[in-house]
Amino acid sequence: KAGVTQTPRYLIKTRGQQVTLSCSPISGHRSVSWYQQTPGQGLQFLFEYFSETQRNKGNFPGRFSGRQFSNSRSEMNVSTLELGDSALYLCASSLAPYLKLYEQYFGPGTRLTVT
Amino acid sequence: AQKVTQAQTEISVVEKEDVTLDCVYETRDTTYYLFWYKQPPSGELVFLIRRNSFDEQNEISGRYSWNFQKSTSSFNFTITASQVVDSAVYFCALRDSGGYQKVTFGTGTKLQVIP
Repeated sequence: KAGVTQTPRYLIKTRGQQVTLSCSPISGHRSVSWYQQTPGQGLQFLFEYFSETQRNKGNFPGRFSGRQFSNSRSEMNVSTLELGDSALYLCASSLAPYLKLYEQYFGPGTRLTVT
Repeated sequence: AQKVTQAQTEISVVEKEDVTLDCVYETRDTTYYLFWYKQPPSGELVFLIRRNSFDEQNEISGRYSWNFQKSTSSFNFTITASQVVDSAVYFCALRDSGGYQKVTFGTGTKLQVIP
């Protein structure tokens, strides 16, 4: 079974631009979560999607948004990029968000550099 | 509010030594799940174990073992006879029950196994 895939793997953008990252969950997994990882802040939860609906959101500004498609694939978008958005963005999938089914499997991440 | 504390920032051990990584958590919920993940230099988080709050049995998987103690809110991870391939950052994480709760990660412990 293929794992979680994320594209692109590396990205360099300029301040003020916007970016879209993509995540394809493991086949059969319907819940997708996004995390930002930086050396200073560690792993921080961005949002979680299930059945095409955002179910939970972390403490990030509105410039960070996402969506999930009917095939469970998810995208996240960051608008008006800032230098501080440089990070590894990780996507994780699980069968469902319900606690008993909750085992998250992570993708390799997208390394975003904002210059 | 949830909180996960991994007080050990970095640990260095010589190959074949045993090492224990500490994890202390805080939660008001009585039902929750704890997780351990490994993040090797390649960056992809690897799921190691999930433990629910009602199961205090220790678990052993090969050279890995986990000690869950609700009385001290700890979920420690021991690697026996460490190997160079164990070098990675290890994260402890917590998710409460009750709807769509986010996962809270600790700050991670970087383990270096010296040959």
